[in-house]
Amino acid sequence: DVKVTQSSRYLVKRTGEKVFLECVQDMDHENMFWYRQDPGLGLRLIYFSYDVKMKEKGDIPEGYSVSREKKERFSLILESASTNQTSMYLCASRAGTGKFSGNTIYFGEGSWLTVV
Amino acid sequence: ILNVEQSPQSLHVQEGDSTNFTCSFPSSNFYALHWYRWETAKSPEALFVMTLNGDEKKKGRISATLNTKEGYSYLYIKGSQPEDSATYLCAPPGGGGNKLTFGTGTQLKVEL
Repeated sequence: DVKVTQSSRYLVKRTGEKVFLECVQDMDHENMFWYRQDPGLGLRLIYFSYDVKMKEKGDIPEGYSVSREKKERFSLILESASTNQTSMYLCASRAGTGKFSGNTIYFGEGSWLTVV
Repeated sequence: ILNVEQSPQSLHVQEGDSTNFTCSFPSSNFYALHWYRWETAKSPEALFVMTLNGDEKKKGRISATLNTKEGYSYLYIKGSQPEDSATYLCAPPGGGGNKLTFGTGTQLKVEL
């Protein structure tokens, strides 16, 4: 059974803290994604990675960075958390290289982050 | 940012009603369109991946059609049941094909 695991389901952090959200997939997928979901705005892409050490900005990368040192792990980093980063963060992965092939995306269960 | 629109934003129907919603997207540089169902407290799960103009896919009571020339896809649910209550998301790829941009979703609630 395919699995995308987000290590932290619920976090509360203080403004200015550095926050790491970790995601691991066990399907040997090349592509991994980080989205955030906010009411009325849907799922918005923050960053994605199509290979180890490779990353591309999504639609809302400001205030975030990512790390992909191993194929199975994709980390989202909030260098200095702010209250407007309070949200639900969703990790996903997909097989395939090059241009989009139509392969299914598999999602984790989400990480709810509150910044106070 | 790829402009993906889903309508309606939310929908309340009675059990047994049939319903449909729309996903609109730019028709240029089309690769494929995904439909996902997202139930509360669960991960989004894939319903369909559609690649060809005129594609029609079916899974039980749910079906979808695709028109790539005019840039829209319809999702139909026949005889809605309470377990169909979820947010339905569509996602056409953008940014050269690697990115997947989601619409804001249609939230469906099926009442007894």
